[in-house]
Amino acid sequence: AQSVSQHNHHVILSEAASLELGCNYSYGGTVNLFWYVQYPGQHLQLLLKYFSGDPLVKGIKGFEAEFIKSKFSFNLRKPSVQWSDTAEYFCAVKKSSGDKLTFGTGTRLAVRP
Amino acid sequence: DGGITQSPKYLFRKEGQNVTLSCEQNLNHDAMYWYRQDPGQGLRLIYYSQIVNDFQKGDIAEGYSVSREKKESFPLTVTSAQKNPTAFYLCASKGGRNPATNEKLFFGSGTQLSVL
Repeated sequence: AQSVSQHNHHVILSEAASLELGCNYSYGGTVNLFWYVQYPGQHLQLLLKYFSGDPLVKGIKGFEAEFIKSKFSFNLRKPSVQWSDTAEYFCAVKKSSGDKLTFGTGTRLAVRP
Repeated sequence: DGGITQSPKYLFRKEGQNVTLSCEQNLNHDAMYWYRQDPGQGLRLIYYSQIVNDFQKGDIAEGYSVSREKKESFPLTVTSAQKNPTAFYLCASKGGRNPATNEKLFFGSGTQLSVL
């Protein structure tokens, strides 16, 4: 069965610091990978997704993620965070051939102004 | 205004009672999902449906039931067999013909269920 691990549960950064949130999945076949974000009081929304092609994916608000197949990883990065990036971030995976989408436990990011 | 509507926003359940959470979408999406969100545990999949009149168990289906009689509706019943039902429940859907967006999940605003 597919699963997702997010090892950072809470991250606190100062503005302008660089961000990297870890995401590892377990499934040996072809996968689709996602990062979703939940800002305080708002719905979950899609940040970026990887299906195929260039393993470096760029999303909204300056976020990017790199798919490293050999490491089963899909880490989220941002070179310089802002206070408005304070949110909870969820990595998710599904088999390319299916519709079952499995989420990780989430990482709470707090950015100090 | 297209989207997903979950109701009620808050729901209280008594011991031994079944309760049903509503989820309606007008996005014409084929796939619909129910997740449970607990602090520190992320989103856990309860049930999902890829098409009308069909649904599959997720990772934590015990104590829950669903139906998909209409494309736009995917109600979730929390039965008395669910021993720890207090949680935030999220409904989501995806679909459409645009390959740029048809794998993107659209979420409702959630229902907070508490046990009295």
